[in-house]
Amino acid sequence: GIQVEQSPPDLILQEGANSTLRCNFSDSVNNLQWFHQNPWGQLINLFYIPSGTKQNGRLSATTVATERYSLLYISSSQTTDSGVYFCAVESTGGFKTIFGAGTRLFVKA
Amino acid sequence: EAQVTQNPRYLITVTGKKLTVTCSQNMNHEYMSWYRQDPGLGLRQIYYSMNVEVTDKGDVPEGYKVSRKEKRNFPLILESPSPNQTSLYFCASSLGPRETQYFGPGTRLLVL
Repeated sequence: GIQVEQSPPDLILQEGANSTLRCNFSDSVNNLQWFHQNPWGQLINLFYIPSGTKQNGRLSATTVATERYSLLYISSSQTTDSGVYFCAVESTGGFKTIFGAGTRLFVKA
Repeated sequence: EAQVTQNPRYLITVTGKKLTVTCSQNMNHEYMSWYRQDPGLGLRQIYYSMNVEVTDKGDVPEGYKVSRKEKRNFPLILESPSPNQTSLYFCASSLGPRETQYFGPGTRLLVL
């Protein structure tokens, strides 16, 4: 089946710094989503982005489907950005959703 | 308020004692799904449902059952729980399979 790899696995930032999180996938996908899991365990969808670029405030995402990767940009990070960021894809062969293992982000005040 | 609800939120049980975790959504979504989350493994899909009476296996369906008799509800059933099913479980829903998924608050299950 399709493999989803996220990097880096862990990231520590000083408040105000920028960062880029990466999601690579091994096969063609029908969709790609980015999620944030806050320290209390709640999962929030950030972007639905099978291709192209989207922006929402300090966050933006780009998916290059032909090269099988997606990037999540966090600018001017805040302590509330801490948590785990997941990308999830749906392969073209069906309707299953496959998650990456996540990037754990800690933003220091 | 649009939401996905799960009950119970926390559950401690013993090996072999059947249990059901309920999931309900009020957004008239067709697609619903169950996931389990384990440290270092991310989320893995257990089962999903495209609509009423239409369900299919995800990547880790062994030991679980589901049913979709109503559009809003998608319960997860563990007929004979075992300790390796100790995990954090999430239910999710979306308008369709290729739409943004909205997650419930999670159910933390401990099987002794």
